[in-house]
Amino acid sequence: GQNIDQPTEMTATEGAIVQINCTYQTSGFNGLFWYQQHAGEAPTFLSYNVLDGLEEKGRFSSFLSRSKGYSYLLLKELQMKDSASYLCAVRDRDYKLSFGAGTTVTVRA
Amino acid sequence: DAMVIQNPRYQVTQFGKPVTLSCSQTLNHNVMYWYQQKSSQAPKLLFHYYDKDFNNEADTPDNFQSRRPNTSFCFLDIRSPGLGDAAMYLCATSGQTGGGETQYFGPGTRLLVL
Repeated sequence: GQNIDQPTEMTATEGAIVQINCTYQTSGFNGLFWYQQHAGEAPTFLSYNVLDGLEEKGRFSSFLSRSKGYSYLLLKELQMKDSASYLCAVRDRDYKLSFGAGTTVTVRA
Repeated sequence: DAMVIQNPRYQVTQFGKPVTLSCSQTLNHNVMYWYQQKSSQAPKLLFHYYDKDFNNEADTPDNFQSRRPNTSFCFLDIRSPGLGDAAMYLCATSGQTGGGETQYFGPGTRLLVL
């Protein structure tokens, strides 16, 4: 099974940078995903890591260290629309996702 | 262009009255998933189909059933909804195994049980 931990809440100022950490314990790692979820809406895909290192996509970057069971999502140049919940999800060898409870990010002006 | 469509977006049912939620996809993905998400919690996988092969999670209550008549459609049947089944139900799809196949989510159906 999977055990996924991420902080419950984070607050940051518009234009700043925020880093959301995720640690996991898994019986069969097959990739880590980050999703963004606005209140009352479905999760939308942000990033995917399966090898160690940093993946950059515009203002969002995601890092993975498989040996440490650790990932982070970096949000740069924060905008008000980035206020949302960010879900870390680990995929197992059966291609099933297990989600963390999510980190609610609040961006303040 | 909508890729994963869920109907209805909001569903109100009565305690014990069967309800069916539907999901359709235009991605021609062979894997379809149903998740239950309660407020401020992580989505919880209920079951998934790999083509026509049904895979139930061990802790999914018998009250929850699913049908997949073809590649495009998948249904979630709740036979006797209880108050604890009020939640957002998310349908997701993904393509064939391997690589970075991402799960794409529909907009969800929010179920209210009275």
